[in-house]
Amino acid sequence: EAQVTQNPRYLITVTGKKLTVTCSQNMNHEYMSWYRQDPGLGLRQIYYSMNVEVTDKGDVPEGYKVSRKEKRNFPLILESPSPNQTSLYFCASSSRGYNEQFFGPGTRLTVL
Amino acid sequence: LAKTTQPISMDSYEGQEVNITCSHNNIATNDYITWYQQFPSQGPRFIIQGYKTKVTNEVASLFIPADRKSSTLSLPRVSLSDTAVYYCLVGDHGGGFKTIFGAGTRLFVKA
Repeated sequence: EAQVTQNPRYLITVTGKKLTVTCSQNMNHEYMSWYRQDPGLGLRQIYYSMNVEVTDKGDVPEGYKVSRKEKRNFPLILESPSPNQTSLYFCASSSRGYNEQFFGPGTRLTVL
Repeated sequence: LAKTTQPISMDSYEGQEVNITCSHNNIATNDYITWYQQFPSQGPRFIIQGYKTKVTNEVASLFIPADRKSSTLSLPRVSLSDTAVYYCLVGDHGGGFKTIFGAGTRLFVKA
């Protein structure tokens, strides 16, 4: 089954404790992206990647890192999480830059 | 990326046709128009994409006038399960992956 998976689905952590949210797709897509969604603010893009080792900033990259060492994986790294990074995070992939994006199930992160 | 403007919310009744209009005055020549649907706590799901005139698939139609400065998503005979947020996106087909979703339109379908 074609899908985008994210782990963990739920995470509660404390300020400053490094964490990684994994994202994996099995559709051989070149493009992958991370979004965060907050009430009243809609979906905002954090980072995107057009291929292995090619990443670029979206609208809200501060406090986040990404890497794209393999085509199927695009982990989101929070080196020192803060409470303002409490949010619902989505990973997405597509076969080309503006083709249909397939979204993962989301990761709900709470930073205390 | 072209900015889009949509109504914040709409109400409808089951069985009615719903039309959601999106304004994108600064759409570029290479830009496509894409609509997504999102249910609470789920990722958005692709509905339809088009460049000009009319596109229809099994769930919706997309109407794009000749000047392409707006587009209308048409949902035929909505049901309660169509209650969701609908996003209009405009961007370069295949040219990159910078994406702006905007606030979307919250559709509430009543019995």
